Amino acid sequence: DAGVIQSPRHEVTEMGQEVTLRCKPISGHNSLFWYRQTMMRGLELLIYFNNNVPIDDSGMPEDRFSAKMPNASFSTLKIQPSEPRDSAVYFCASNPSGYTDTQYFGPGTRLTVL
Amino acid sequence: SQQGEEDPQALSIQEGENATMNCSYKTSINNLQWYRQNSGRGLVHLILIRSNEREKHSGRLRVTLDTSKKSSSLLITASRAADTASYFCATPRGNTDKLIFGTGTRLQVFP
Repeated sequence: DAGVIQSPRHEVTEMGQEVTLRCKPISGHNSLFWYRQTMMRGLELLIYFNNNVPIDDSGMPEDRFSAKMPNASFSTLKIQPSEPRDSAVYFCASNPSGYTDTQYFGPGTRLTVL
Repeated sequence: SQQGEEDPQALSIQEGENATMNCSYKTSINNLQWYRQNSGRGLVHLILIRSNEREKHSGRLRVTLDTSKKSSSLLITASRAADTASYFCATPRGNTDKLIFGTGTRLQVFP
């Protein structure tokens, strides 16, 4: 089992550019989560999917952020246009489903917006 | 707002000593989970304790849960330099898959 896979691991871009982060959850897991981690705000849940359907996107900061899960093995988080305050580490996590389940985190994507 | 708040924010100890971290939360929970994060890495699940459990062990880890005080503690015994990491507690938001993470405790273990 390869675990949760995220790409890219590092992304440096200029303000105003579109950024797309990618995630492949663990096979068989039904829930997928996108988090953002910064020193100031800690670990924040942005959005989560269950069976490819967005369940709660209340953590998405604004309309510049969007997430999709076209199938059970792939999800994207897009920021358009990006701003310097979006600089953070973005984590994807998955779990088999059910609120008693633990979450399995990917290695994260470190985003720097200049 | 954060559901879980860890205490202390930072802890420095010598190898071989025990490390205790505390977590407080606000609402009723079904379970509480502890995660570890090494610098530059994703979070790794350590242990889950259910609301009807009071204590749980896993290797050198001991977790307690006091639902009346809405608090939990994580004890790492005989610490090692490799235990240096940040430790987070997390609780589910209602009957959902959503986990709310605390602010974390940064543990430094000196050899």
